[in-house]
Amino acid sequence: EVQLLESGGGLVQPGGSLRLSCAASGFTFSSYGMSWVRQAPGKGLEWVSFISGSGVGTSYADSVKGRFTISRDNSKNTLYLQMNSLTAEDTAVYYCARTYSGYVLDSWGQGTLVTVSS
Amino acid sequence: DIQMTQSPSSLSASVGDRVTITCRASQGITNYLAWYQQKPGKVPKLLIYAASTLQSGVPSRFSGSGSGTDFTLTISSLQPEDVATYYCQRSNSAPFTFGPGTKVDIK
Repeated sequence: EVQLLESGGGLVQPGGSLRLSCAASGFTFSSYGMSWVRQAPGKGLEWVSFISGSGVGTSYADSVKGRFTISRDNSKNTLYLQMNSLTAEDTAVYYCARTYSGYVLDSWGQGTLVTVSS
Repeated sequence: DIQMTQSPSSLSASVGDRVTITCRASQGITNYLAWYQQKPGKVPKLLIYAASTLQSGVPSRFSGSGSGTDFTLTISSLQPEDVATYYCQRSNSAPFTFGPGTKVDIK
């Protein structure tokens, strides 16, 4: 069974940084791309970032480009999202999702809440 | 960037009704379109990919169609457990934009 478990969320001040993690199990992690998707309170889904299975290919939404960095450690079956220069607009539940051919998100974690506030 | 729109933004229908949700891309995306269901307080779930391929385990009352810029998600007979917000998503190239969502509830 595919399991994705996010961690690292919490309260951070504007301008601060946070690193999210997503521990994966139940599948061959390195064979799949992975994505981060966020959802602000009461709002819709926003795709944030994607990384290929090897980690070589990455892409970002314009709203986070230059501030967020996606990475992965295939030896630890873990996906990361380093978030810098956070603003209130980054407040959201962040989901990691397994991503396969055609960039379809077929399995999602439970999400971790990031709150940016002073 | 390609923009995704959905209509209606919300709808209310009776149990057993046929429900159709439309998704439109601002440019052609061939069949690189996925649909997700998010029930209240729950995690999104993949329903359909490649515009019309039903994900394993999804009830057959759900179906998708379309190509290019116009796509539809159809629930052939609405059930109480289908109360949710439905999102389309382009899946051909980054950014993998979601539509704004369509909220479905029971009349």
